[in-house]
Amino acid sequence: DVKVTQSSRYLVKRTGEKVFLECVQDMDHENMFWYRQDPGLGLRLIYFSYDVKMKEKGDIPEGYSVSREKKERFSLILESASTNQTSMYLCASSLASGDYNEQFFGPGTRLTVL
Amino acid sequence: GENVEQHPSTLSVQEGDSAVIKCTYSDSASNYFPWYKQELGKRPQLIIDIRSNVGEKKDQRIAVTLNKTAKHFSLHITETQPEDSAVYFCAASKPPNDYKLSFGAGTTVTVRA
Repeated sequence: DVKVTQSSRYLVKRTGEKVFLECVQDMDHENMFWYRQDPGLGLRLIYFSYDVKMKEKGDIPEGYSVSREKKERFSLILESASTNQTSMYLCASSLASGDYNEQFFGPGTRLTVL
Repeated sequence: GENVEQHPSTLSVQEGDSAVIKCTYSDSASNYFPWYKQELGKRPQLIIDIRSNVGEKKDQRIAVTLNKTAKHFSLHITETQPEDSAVYFCAASKPPNDYKLSFGAGTTVTVRA
């Protein structure tokens, strides 16, 4: 059973703080993704990684960076949090093989920036 | 890049009736179309998917249809039940060349008892 975990369910930070969101998966998946979810906008891709040390920008990377030092862990970093980064953040992972592409999601981190 | 549009944004149905959600995509190279269900406070989970070489797929009360020519695909839920109340997302991607999913904006389905 695939398990994707995220370091916090709820997080409150102040404007300008550096914020780290951690994601860990235990199924040896090559691919990992960070999304933010906002009402009416669906899931928007921030960054993704297909391998250790590899990272690529998604659709809304501005204000974010990522780190993937180990295969099972993918971290999202907000260098200087702003109020418009208040959102639900979802991590996901998937296998890099085959023609099917199921992504397994973590429980999400609801971040509030004051 | 890929653009996925999803309609309607909200859908209210009487228990036992059918629900239909429609999505269109822009990139003709997309070949994999999953549907995710997200219950309130829970993570999104895959409920059904379809590849571009198939026109229709069914799994009990849910079915997905794909029209490659028109670049649209739909989710059909028959005999709706209260537990079908959730947000549903369609998505598109191009495995094995590209594993990113482009999601629609979501449809909030409410099943009235």
